[in-house]
This record gives sequence, C-alpha cells and structure tokens, in this order.
Amino acid sequence: AQKVTQAQTEISVVEKEDVTLDCVYETRDTTYYLFWYKQPPSGELVFLIRRNSFDEQNEISGRYSWNFQKSTSSFNFTITASQVVDSAVYFCALSADSGYSTLTFGKGTMLLVSP
Amino acid sequence: AAGVIQSPRHLIKEKRETATLKCYPIPRHDTVYWYQQGPGQDPQFLISFYEKMQSDKGSIPDRFSAQQFSDYHSELNMSSLELGDSALYFCASTVATYNEQFFGPGTRLTVL
Repeated sequence: AQKVTQAQTEISVVEKEDVTLDCVYETRDTTYYLFWYKQPPSGELVFLIRRNSFDEQNEISGRYSWNFQKSTSSFNFTITASQVVDSAVYFCALSADSGYSTLTFGKGTMLLVSP
Repeated sequence: AAGVIQSPRHLIKEKRETATLKCYPIPRHDTVYWYQQGPGQDPQFLISFYEKMQSDKGSIPDRFSAQQFSDYHSELNMSSLELGDSALYFCASTVATYNEQFFGPGTRLTVL
C-alpha cells in the first residue's frame, strides 16, 4: 500500500521568509512518481512538479526548489522569499510507475504568508 | 492548450436527490479519473476508466456510478445524495506515456 505523510498541517510565515514543506512517502514499488500540487482558495489543483524515483537530482524553478532523498523517502518542497500569493494548501502525491496509476495524496499543508 | 473541462462548476442539490457530473478529457487522452475532496481533506480516488472500460475502483459509494462514453467523456452519477457528499469533485485525464494526470477545475457539489 502507498502512503504519503505531510506532518505539517499549517505553516505561517511572513513575506520574504523561506519555508520548507515536508513530505515523506511509503511504497513497495521500486519505481514510482512523486508530485507536488498547489490548491489556492479558488479550489483548483495546480500541478507544480513530477519526479521519477530514478531521478534524485534536486530541481529549482524560480523561487521553488525540491529535494528528493530516496534514502529517507522524502520529497521536500522549499519556497524561497515567500509571497502572499503563495498562500495555499500544498499536496504531495505518489503514484506507481504505471501509465494508469492513481494518485495517493498526503493530507496537505496549508501555507499562510502574511504581509 | 486544451484542458480538462468539467461541468457544472457548481451544483446545489437537496438530500436524496440525484446529480450528474460531467468530464471532458483533453483530446486524445484515453483515461479518466474521478476524485472526491471533502472540506479540509485531501482528494480521494473514486474510479477510473481506460478506453471506456473501468480500470480501477477506489472508495466510491454504491450510490455512485460512472461511465466513459465513446467520445471519451465521462459522467459520474450520484443518487440518494447525502449531506456528506458535499465536496469538490475532480476529474483528471491522461495517456499512458505521460505518467501524469491533468486535472480539471472541479465541480463543487453542495447537498442541503
């Protein structure tokens, strides 16, 4: 069975602070995919990143960066110099390496960025 | 680029009524997934279809049924609605080579 744990229920920061959202996963699959989604108050799920289990390179996209560590089954997400528009619920998700695998989501972390 | 279309975007129903949610996948996508997200919860997988056949089933109540039609659009039928069915319902589509699901904007169902 697959499981995704986001231990941080809610994080509050002040604008311009850096913030890291934690994600720990469990799977018996040898190959799998990890994802991060952003859900703003409007409700839609915004895709942020997909990472294959074979690719442990860290990734940076603007103010966003992701640290994938297979040894600790973690896929953490850092926002640098946070902005009010970053306020949202962030979900980490996991799927098997199969074209038609379903997603298992974590419980989400609500990030509140205040001015 | 075309995205996944869901209709309606908002729906208000009374208890014990029925509701039908529709999903139009991205063109040439052959697989559709349905997820339910209750208030303050994470999305939970309900059911999926590949080439018009059910491919996987999650925590979908027996009161719900779904199908995928010849044009690949999908409908989620919900009967005997309960207050607890109030949620955001997402549809996602994909093809095997993507290993990624593309989500629609969701349908917000409120049961009064």
